Amino acid sequence: DADVTQTPRNRITKTGKRIMLECSQTKGHDRMYWYRQDPGLGLRLIYYSFDVKDINKGEISDGYSVSRQAQAKFSLSLESAIPNQTALYFCATSDQVTDTQYFGPGTRLTVL
Amino acid sequence: LAKTTQPISMDSYEGQEVNITCSHNNIATNDYITWYQQFPSQGPRFIIQGYKTKVTNEVASLFIPADRKSSTLSLPRVSLSDTAVYYCLVPTRRRALTFGSGTRLQVQP
Repeated sequence: DADVTQTPRNRITKTGKRIMLECSQTKGHDRMYWYRQDPGLGLRLIYYSFDVKDINKGEISDGYSVSRQAQAKFSLSLESAIPNQTALYFCATSDQVTDTQYFGPGTRLTVL
Repeated sequence: LAKTTQPISMDSYEGQEVNITCSHNNIATNDYITWYQQFPSQGPRFIIQGYKTKVTNEVASLFIPADRKSSTLSLPRVSLSDTAVYYCLVPTRRRALTFGSGTRLQVQP
């Protein structure tokens, strides 16, 4: 089984809808991250969490919210989706010592 | 905040050695330097990590000079399957890694 899983893998939705992307990990890491990637560009950090009670905004948090339900689960929500949030979304985890990140397979989100 | 600078793109041919250099002038004393590889529509994958001097694994080597303000990822004898985007990362002050645009390596036959 994969160490970092994301659901759903693909999602098409309409403008104004609320969307939740879920991430689960079995690596036992305290740190979890959400990134988005637009075609041809690098990854941009949306939110990150260093433990269940520590959640921080990244570079592009506007329009997004997160919930760290447990050490192993970190969800990303789009309260009211808009077309420019169409992108590939990645969840990642890391250990505290080296910060080596392990990525999930990604969720391709399309907002019409 | 630590910031990295690396070339936008590089071209190479199969069998050649490729060196990608990254500058990180503001790296903190305790920070590691980490390199990732990303294929289209996949999440980045860890390649190698180092703190100083030289690190080698089955995939690559990482050279870090004494001042640690730069690092060089070396890929020996690249193949077509090494065509990817390569990211150099150091932690920010809060230790959240920020990916830049990376270096797009294109390997030709």
